[in-house]
Amino acid sequence: NAGVTQTPKFQVLKTGQSMTLQCAQDMNHNSMYWYRQDPGMGLRLIYYSASEGTTDKGEVPNGYNVSRLNKREFSLRLESAAPSQTSVYFCASSWGADEQFFGPGTRLTVL
Amino acid sequence: GENVEQHPSTLSVQEGDSAVIKCTYSDSASNYFPWYKQELGKRPQLIIDIRSNVGEKKDQRIAVTLNKTAKHFSLHITETQPEDSAVYFCAARGADRGSTLGRLYFGRGTQLTVWP
Repeated sequence: NAGVTQTPKFQVLKTGQSMTLQCAQDMNHNSMYWYRQDPGMGLRLIYYSASEGTTDKGEVPNGYNVSRLNKREFSLRLESAAPSQTSVYFCASSWGADEQFFGPGTRLTVL
Repeated sequence: GENVEQHPSTLSVQEGDSAVIKCTYSDSASNYFPWYKQELGKRPQLIIDIRSNVGEKKDQRIAVTLNKTAKHFSLHITETQPEDSAVYFCAARGADRGSTLGRLYFGRGTQLTVWP
């Protein structure tokens, strides 16, 4: 099993550009999450999906949108990137309230 | 929502010494407390967790203690080794229901450095 996979690994954008971060899991988990990690700030939840067909805002949702495409896939979209969105983005999944498994991360730089 | 505070933000110890990281939480209904380890450039990985019906849990050199009355929990690493050097995150799961089930609130992390 690949676990949780994310694409791309690295991305550089110019201010105002858009992009979608992809996440997929093959563990049959029902819950999926998007976090951003900034130095000294820990992991902050952007959006999550407790089950297929539902999405909810986390702590820092502004400037982002998500789509739970199916049980396996959960994408994060930046419609108009800003330098403040420079960060490392992690996707995670879990079976309900159990352990969350993280993907390898996407390092995003917005110039 | 839940608020998790973690201390210290950095911790340096000599190889073989013990390391202790402490976290406090605000929601007395929180019932699950995992600890994640993140090595440089890698993803966070669960190392140990504890549920609110247990006061202590051990796994080899790692232990976690929970004080529900005081709303704090701690990670203890004994006989530290250089490979224990990493960032450690505590987290708490609130007792939310429905669509928020599973949501974790993370502390800001502790950079542990173990000197040989």
